[in-house]
Amino acid sequence: DSGVTQTPKHLITATGQRVTLRCSPRSGDLSVYWYQQSLDQGLQFLIHYYNGEERAKGNILERFSAQQFPDLHSELNLSSLELGDSALYFCASSAGHGSYNEQFFGPGTRLTVL
Amino acid sequence: GIQVEQSPPDLILQEGANSTLRCNFSDSVNNLQWFHQNPWGQLINLFYIPSGTKQNGRLSATTVATERYSLLYISSSQTTDSGVYFCAVVFNSGYALNFGKGTSLLVTP
Repeated sequence: DSGVTQTPKHLITATGQRVTLRCSPRSGDLSVYWYQQSLDQGLQFLIHYYNGEERAKGNILERFSAQQFPDLHSELNLSSLELGDSALYFCASSAGHGSYNEQFFGPGTRLTVL
Repeated sequence: GIQVEQSPPDLILQEGANSTLRCNFSDSVNNLQWFHQNPWGQLINLFYIPSGTKQNGRLSATTVATERYSLLYISSSQTTDSGVYFCAVVFNSGYALNFGKGTSLLVTP
């Protein structure tokens, strides 16, 4: 158990819908990262937050947004869902915001868009 | 462009055999991590190893940063070692982990 929690574990929804994925980092970690794992794209970085502020963006679609709250948990919002958004979404956390910090991954949320 | 390449892509071993997985990366890194993704999809941290050598039980890893590669050694493999092994790096210019495509390992009884 990495100490990073994600809910829900599984999510099944229809095209055009909106969903929210939730992540709680390890105790004491200030950074949260979101990654997407799909069959065709592999594991890709989406976005990074540190202590409530956005620090870096990767291949995140405009239909997707995220935020980190004062208690440091984070939410990833996916809207106008398409079949291609079906994937495993991981949250990771690290102690600091620098590139030297080890990242620890949650169990993931498996999203299926029908 | 910036790349992380893993080899071999697939590996089948008999229980008890040893193996070496390789990760090549195209630029200087501040962070290199090895993960095991089990059949349930969980990503398990194996090593944080931007340079040097580490050992943890039957697993060990070596990163030669100056030559831009890392090796993961699995000795006396067990069926529970099956899954996908990922190498991921944070390049000097970034913060996010860049993942290779993984090595899919199957250990047979």
